Amino acid sequence: DAGITQSPRYKITETGRQVTLMCHQTWSHSYMFWYRQDLGHGLRLIYYSAAADITDKGEVPDGYVVSRSKTENFPLTLESATRSQTSVYFCASNPLGDQPQHFGDGTRLSIL
Amino acid sequence: DAKTTQPPSMDCAEGRAANLPCNHSTISGNEYVYWYRQIHSQGPQYIIHGLKNNETNEMASLIITEDRKSSTLILPHATLRDTAVYYCIVRGRGGSNYKLTFGKGTLLTVNP
Repeated sequence: DAGITQSPRYKITETGRQVTLMCHQTWSHSYMFWYRQDLGHGLRLIYYSAAADITDKGEVPDGYVVSRSKTENFPLTLESATRSQTSVYFCASNPLGDQPQHFGDGTRLSIL
Repeated sequence: DAKTTQPPSMDCAEGRAANLPCNHSTISGNEYVYWYRQIHSQGPQYIIHGLKNNETNEMASLIITEDRKSSTLILPHATLRDTAVYYCIVRGRGGSNYKLTFGKGTLLTVNP
């Protein structure tokens, strides 16, 4: 089925480890986004990408790395995880123009 | 992007219309009003969006005042499954304006 999928859905890891969250969309949307959601802060933008090989920082990019070698994939990497990065992470995409952004089901990440 | 103001919570009886207000007094002429909702533990779900005219789709209606400084989302026959946090978002056009800035939203509770 067409859509946007995130993996894994749940992840537990330890501080200092590297972890990669995957996002895959089948719509060939140009724009992709990573948000994190924490109690008291709502959803905050981490990084976004306008097209393959084009990425830019959002509101809270520190500690995260992204890449976009293919239009359909937008992985988010925590190079050295910290407890403050425990959160729910959402990926989203939208095409050019004023069409709505669509979200994945999220990845719940716990860092011990 | 213009800031939005929403009541923190609202109640609605099942089967009745739910009217969720939003103020966006600093909205500019090329900014859209978007509505999303988030059911517990799920990704945000797009509901509807509009620029100037009222809009209706299978989920809801969006009423935008003539001066565009406020809007109302209407769920015509609320069900228990409509219990969620509803976000009103003002979004610009083009480039980095594609990102969404989420506030705290309105928690709508639909009661039996």
